[in-house]
Amino acid sequence: KNEVEQSPQNLTAQEGEFITINCSYSVGISALHWLQQHPGGGIVSLFMLSSGKKKHGRLIATINIQEKHSSLHITASHPRDSAVYICAVEGETSGSRLTFGEGTQLTVNP
Amino acid sequence: GAVVSQHPSRVICKSGTSVKIECRSLDFQATTMFWYRQFPKQSLMLMATSNEGSKATYEQGVEKDKFLINHASLTLSTLTVTSAHPEDSSFYICSASRGGHFTEQYFGPGTRLTVT
Repeated sequence: KNEVEQSPQNLTAQEGEFITINCSYSVGISALHWLQQHPGGGIVSLFMLSSGKKKHGRLIATINIQEKHSSLHITASHPRDSAVYICAVEGETSGSRLTFGEGTQLTVNP
Repeated sequence: GAVVSQHPSRVICKSGTSVKIECRSLDFQATTMFWYRQFPKQSLMLMATSNEGSKATYEQGVEKDKFLINHASLTLSTLTVTSAHPEDSSFYICSASRGGHFTEQYFGPGTRLTVT
């Protein structure tokens, strides 16, 4: 069992739909990161959080420490949101090293 | 925001040769840099963590004599793939942080290495 598991692995949506990607982890963490990887390979850090909820534009990230679960929501999805979304955790005892989920491939069709 | 560059973006080399990849933090001092590799359709795999001025810490299964990492300054880390083989062909990505817990990691654009 991976320390970090994401679901779904693949997600196809129509433009405008509300999207949710889930991340569950099995270790104690000091922080959880949501990353976005575009087809060319470049990775952008979307959120880093340790509790509660953060919002940036159409993106919302939440985390429930007790349940060891985080969600990434995209409101009013757009084709340019098509990318791989990766959840990564910083373990309590691993320094700043990240453990990554397998990623969720999101395709938003016009 | 913080910018991390990698050079080269793509490199093709012959089997047996060595290749150096540079990772630079352009507008901040990176106490810690990380090197990852990524195979197609897979997630990132941490290879090593490097702190400025000290030896890199390699993950289990990563050969330190094959993947030489140098973090000589607060803005530059290099990864040298020595005696490259076709199985070393991969996408190599670096990230940089200011160090410590709960600090953002800023990722480079990656280097696609093909060994023929």
